[in-house]
Amino acid sequence: QKEVEQDPGPLSVPEGAIVSLNCTYSNSAFQYFMWYRQYSRKGPELLMYTYSSGNKEDGRFTAQVDKSSKYISLFIRDSQPSDSATYLCAMSVDNTDKLIFGTGTRLQVFP
Amino acid sequence: GAVVSQHPSRVICKSGTSVKIECRSLDFQATTMFWYRQFPKQSLMLMATSNEGSKATYEQGVEKDKFLINHASLTLSTLTVTSAHPEDSSFYICSAPGQGAAQYFGPGTRLLVL
Repeated sequence: QKEVEQDPGPLSVPEGAIVSLNCTYSNSAFQYFMWYRQYSRKGPELLMYTYSSGNKEDGRFTAQVDKSSKYISLFIRDSQPSDSATYLCAMSVDNTDKLIFGTGTRLQVFP
Repeated sequence: GAVVSQHPSRVICKSGTSVKIECRSLDFQATTMFWYRQFPKQSLMLMATSNEGSKATYEQGVEKDKFLINHASLTLSTLTVTSAHPEDSSFYICSAPGQGAAQYFGPGTRLLVL
């Protein structure tokens, strides 16, 4: 079993839809959780950063962490074609530890 | 967020040659930088942690004599793929630590070894 599991997709949705992206993990020691967006042939871009459990909102993006279920989510409201990319979850035990990445979910938002 | 640059963005070389990739932090100093490798439709795999002024720390299974890392200054780390072979063809990405546990990534370097 991988430390971090993420459905690779692709996930195809119409413009304006609410998108839900998820990751599960096995290491209960993870405390830092991140979501990155990666466009094709580009480096990952940090979208959301969360410490411990709870919700965090930034514009159209909401990150949720449920440590009791070892489950994290990224919601995208009013999705746009420009949101089409691969979304990677990442997590670590502490801020000096290496990041463990999910495999990434490819999202396609069609007009 | 912090800006990390990489050079070159893509390189094509013949088998047996060595290739150097530079990673720079443009508006901040980084005593640590990370080097990742990413195959098509796969996630990022950490290769090594580059430490300014000391030896790099390599992940299990990564040949340190094959992938030479030098962290010459607080804003520059280099990865040299020595005697590159077709199986070394990949997307190489560097990053530098940011807020808390987050990392800021460079744009990546696509290496194709013929």
